[in-house]
Amino acid sequence: GAGVSQSPSNKVTEKGKDVELRCDPISGHTALYWYRQSLGQGLEFLIYFQGNSAPDKSGLPSDRFSAERTGGSVSTLTIQRTQQEDSAVYLCASTSGGGGETQYFGPGTRLLVL
Amino acid sequence: AQSVSQHNHHVILSEAASLELGCNYSYGGTVNLFWYVQYPGQHLQLLLKYFSGDPLVKGIKGFEAEFIKSKFSFNLRKPSVQWSDTAEYFCAVNGRTGRRALTFGSGTRLQVQP
Repeated sequence: GAGVSQSPSNKVTEKGKDVELRCDPISGHTALYWYRQSLGQGLEFLIYFQGNSAPDKSGLPSDRFSAERTGGSVSTLTIQRTQQEDSAVYLCASTSGGGGETQYFGPGTRLLVL
Repeated sequence: AQSVSQHNHHVILSEAASLELGCNYSYGGTVNLFWYVQYPGQHLQLLLKYFSGDPLVKGIKGFEAEFIKSKFSFNLRKPSVQWSDTAEYFCAVNGRTGRRALTFGSGTRLQVQP
């Protein structure tokens, strides 16, 4: 079946603008994660959704970052007032949520803030 | 807080050479362990994983890893590398409870010369 998809694949924006990044998880997967991959920080956890539970936002680097997941499926990560240090690849992963499961990653969105 | 250390940042090998990439973790509880691979221009893919049972796990493309609990290690091995193994390799760990977000090592860039 289809894997995790993300859009756009690339995004160039100007400092101070808002951006929205989208993730479509694997159908039926109840758990969804956002990570960020950057040169200076490696791969970092951002936020976690599990079913209808409140999301775990403990990895978000600032209050400019937010995410939502509608209908337990598609998720949108929003970055407000982007800064140059937000430039990174934003990765989404999903799992079946059953425990001990493998996280399947999407191709990522490469964000460049000028 | 959990952490993962990968000792080799950049490894250059000739084809047919043997490979061992080190990974040590620090985590206050029972863990799941993973190796992910990122080929040039591609997204993160699972190479192999350890949840329980036999500490020697075999993955795709002839890779294997051994979990040594007393050493908090999960080293990746392959007896004979190929040019197509050129990629970046990430060791990761998550806990058996809670959000199960992955904590990644900084990655090892493997370059295999023909």
